Amino acid sequence: GAVVSQHPSWVICKSGTSVKIECRSLDFQATTMFWYRQFPKQSLMLMATSNEGSKATYEQGVEKDKFLINHASLTLSTLTVTSAHPEDSSFYICSARRTGGGDEQYFGPGTRLTVT
Amino acid sequence: EDQVTQSPEALRLQEGESSSLNCSYTVSGLRGLFWYRQDPGKGPEFLFTLYSAGEEKEKERLKATLTKKESFLHITAPKPEDSATYLCAVQNTGTASKLTFGTGTRLQVTL
Repeated sequence: GAVVSQHPSWVICKSGTSVKIECRSLDFQATTMFWYRQFPKQSLMLMATSNEGSKATYEQGVEKDKFLINHASLTLSTLTVTSAHPEDSSFYICSARRTGGGDEQYFGPGTRLTVT
Repeated sequence: EDQVTQSPEALRLQEGESSSLNCSYTVSGLRGLFWYRQDPGKGPEFLFTLYSAGEEKEKERLKATLTKKESFLHITAPKPEDSATYLCAVQNTGTASKLTFGTGTRLQVTL
């Protein structure tokens, strides 16, 4: 159990366009989901925390108007990178905490975004 | 500010050669310490949660321990399939669900 999927697994987009990444908890409900960014050979940096039905909480330095997060159901959160630029190219990973479960987060497989 | 430091940065072991990975942490109030395994190009896989000093958890060839300042991940008789990056993270009692990660230890196990 505790499987999290992400779609797409990789995406290439042109500068100035927007791209949406989906994160789904497949076999459990997740009131809280998280979005991370990871640069090569670096650790995971939390971008934002989203709770089902409410606005996301963004970490300091993360532009909320650029990285739009929606957590519309207990199994789905989406991250939309708006007006993408090459510096937004990165590995984006989501995670989910099981509703009523422990503190551990279960991670998706990640989405590789390349902006040209 | 919470801080997590992992050492060594990289470790190369021969199959069967046991060793330990270190995770030192600074946190105002520890709610939990987490170990994850990450394979290249994939998301982290949950291994253990430790909540209090003296606690130990085991899974196959891995054993995690916790003190008030650090955690160790002991790998006994590793196999090549144990090769991965091992990440440590802490959760502060005052910052809800947020995890602060270390930069990881890249482990390579050779035949």
